[in-house]
Amino acid sequence: GAVVSQHPSWVICKSGTSVKIECRSLDFQATTMFWYRQFPKQSLMLMATSNEGSKATYEQGVEKDKFLINHASLTLSTLTVTSAHPEDSSFYICSARPPQGLQETQYFGPGTRLLVL
Amino acid sequence: DAKTTQPPSMDCAEGRAANLPCNHSTISGNEYVYWYRQIHSQGPQYIIHGLKNNETNEMASLIITEDRKSSTLILPHATLRDTAVYYCIVRSNSGTYKYIFGTGTRLKVLA
Repeated sequence: GAVVSQHPSWVICKSGTSVKIECRSLDFQATTMFWYRQFPKQSLMLMATSNEGSKATYEQGVEKDKFLINHASLTLSTLTVTSAHPEDSSFYICSARPPQGLQETQYFGPGTRLLVL
Repeated sequence: DAKTTQPPSMDCAEGRAANLPCNHSTISGNEYVYWYRQIHSQGPQYIIHGLKNNETNEMASLIITEDRKSSTLILPHATLRDTAVYYCIVRSNSGTYKYIFGTGTRLKVLA
């Protein structure tokens, strides 16, 4: 089946630093990738849609200058949390969608847990 | 906004069928219903999806009502490893095909 990986799986950083999270589709090409954030005991919240070779589309209320998304290839999207603060601590999950057909599902990565001290 | 409503929690005895309902009364004619589950601290796992016909795969069955306003995910013989949060999603049929997650149902399978 389709596999999506994320790196790192967890990261601890100091307040004010930037953190980059990678999302890779390992066995298929993904023209579209999605980034979600999940706080404890809450559902997944879509942050942005990332299309290869173009600018990401951010959901309402998500700061595009805070969460930089780059989708430079068909198998890699990155999320950079800039000037991270403790309130950015969360579980970040990406998903990737194969390009074929209307029914194609999204395949999710294992998530990256970010703790900002 | 999420287009689905689900009960917040359910219990099921191990070995019995787990029936998880989902209401999607505002679904459009060309929108699909997807089911995923999330085991603690992992990414969501795809289970099944459908448009209007009932569907079955090795994991589960999906029953969609004739008016498509609700559906039921059936795990035929629940095991302890099926304990998870189950999400019913109506997928946007716009260009991005994005998912909007609702609150899901926390299923606990009891020994």
